[in-house]
Amino acid sequence: EPEVTQTPSHQVTQMGQEVILRCVPISNHLYFYWYRQILGQKVEFLVSFYNNEISEKSEIFDDQFSVERPDGSNFTLKIRSTKLEDSAMYFCASRRGQGPDTQYFGPGTRLTVL
Amino acid sequence: DQQVKQNSPSLSVQEGRISILNCDYTNSMFDYFLWYKKYPAEGPTFLISISSIKDKNEDGRFTVFLNKSAKHLSLHIVPSQPGDSAVYFCAASVMDSNYQLIWGAGTKLIIKP
Repeated sequence: EPEVTQTPSHQVTQMGQEVILRCVPISNHLYFYWYRQILGQKVEFLVSFYNNEISEKSEIFDDQFSVERPDGSNFTLKIRSTKLEDSAMYFCASRRGQGPDTQYFGPGTRLTVL
Repeated sequence: DQQVKQNSPSLSVQEGRISILNCDYTNSMFDYFLWYKKYPAEGPTFLISISSIKDKNEDGRFTVFLNKSAKHLSLHIVPSQPGDSAVYFCAASVMDSNYQLIWGAGTKLIIKP
């Protein structure tokens, strides 16, 4: 069964460093998402991506964040200058097409900023 | 801004009985609702969904009921099994927002043997 994969499973970085979180969505899916969950809090939407551009982003997704689909299979989230409060689980999701359908999630990357 | 609320942080149910998880929402524009199950250190796993044009959807042991007038949905699991012990999230989306999911806080379901 196709699944969304994410690497690395755990990333530890120093405050101010750049990190890139990687995701491989399900191959025939067209819509891609990043969410995050800070420990003990709700899952929060960050950004949606379709047709090689951002289609929607939340207030959390400020200038330090960027997304890219560099090669038609990977979908990346870059955080340019990490802050302590960026420590969270980051989940990638994808869905197939237009209309309401299911978003499938990857296992997540735990980001720890020291 | 709690558009999706799950008011029960935890629920304990005897194995074999029915588990009922509840979710309330405030945004009348939501048109698609989903339930996800999540184990610690894993991503959310899709369980079942319902469109706002329906009031019930069933898949095996899982049934979701939607009451639009009350802005309430519930997930019924019957019979409950030990493997159902997990955190259950209700999520909702709106077509115009590219179906970004708005999440509830989750309910931890514990199935007692």
